[in-house]
Amino acid sequence: GESVGLHLPTLSVQEGDNSIINCAYSNSASDYFIWYKQESGKGPQFIIDIRSNMDKRQGQRVTVLLNKTVKHLSLQIAATQPGDSAVYFCAEPRGFDNYGQNFVFGPGTRLSVLP
Amino acid sequence: DTEVTQTPKHLVMGMTNKKSLKCEQHMGHRAMYWYKQKAKKPPELMFVYSYEKLSINESVPSRFSPECPNSSLLNLHLHALQPEDSALYLCASSLITSGGRTDTQYFGPGTRLTVL
Repeated sequence: GESVGLHLPTLSVQEGDNSIINCAYSNSASDYFIWYKQESGKGPQFIIDIRSNMDKRQGQRVTVLLNKTVKHLSLQIAATQPGDSAVYFCAEPRGFDNYGQNFVFGPGTRLSVLP
Repeated sequence: DTEVTQTPKHLVMGMTNKKSLKCEQHMGHRAMYWYKQKAKKPPELMFVYSYEKLSINESVPSRFSPECPNSSLLNLHLHALQPEDSALYLCASSLITSGGRTDTQYFGPGTRLTVL
């Protein structure tokens, strides 16, 4: 199940099941979103991105869905494996410097895969 | 070479010490970033360099001093830090496209800093 509170939200799933990780974003003008995976002791690793002109994008075992009406992103992981255990962050643009855009990260969700 | 490297992996320093964190990438990325990440929190942006010039400083205290000596290297000089500065310090880099926009950021493994 999923819990939200003072601690990092955690999602526990059985190995082989599908996982759905959710993210709400704040800026209706955001036009690009990224999902990162961060394993213990490592830096964030790019998983998949999506632009606002799309509702869905698929990668290898991962799918990102974008609902602009309610400003919501989800990351779906098919056939979850033990190696998927990590913290997952969504990121949206926060503004622009002279050369582009920089990102603010969501609070993150810890995915725990149960044997 | 598709990775961002950071040294050292771990650093313990006293409040009166001066130390430096180093970051290197050879992907031809012309935007480089420093982030600070506390336990169970998302990364927080500190500095952005674009074409070796500081383009963003997120109101970081002056005891943190960034430096970008060339397009492949990024340093973070530390002096007179406080225990609350203990955190994971992440470096990232990204391409600046022909249209002048920054692309996806690629992160290094981070330096785990402890200030005593």
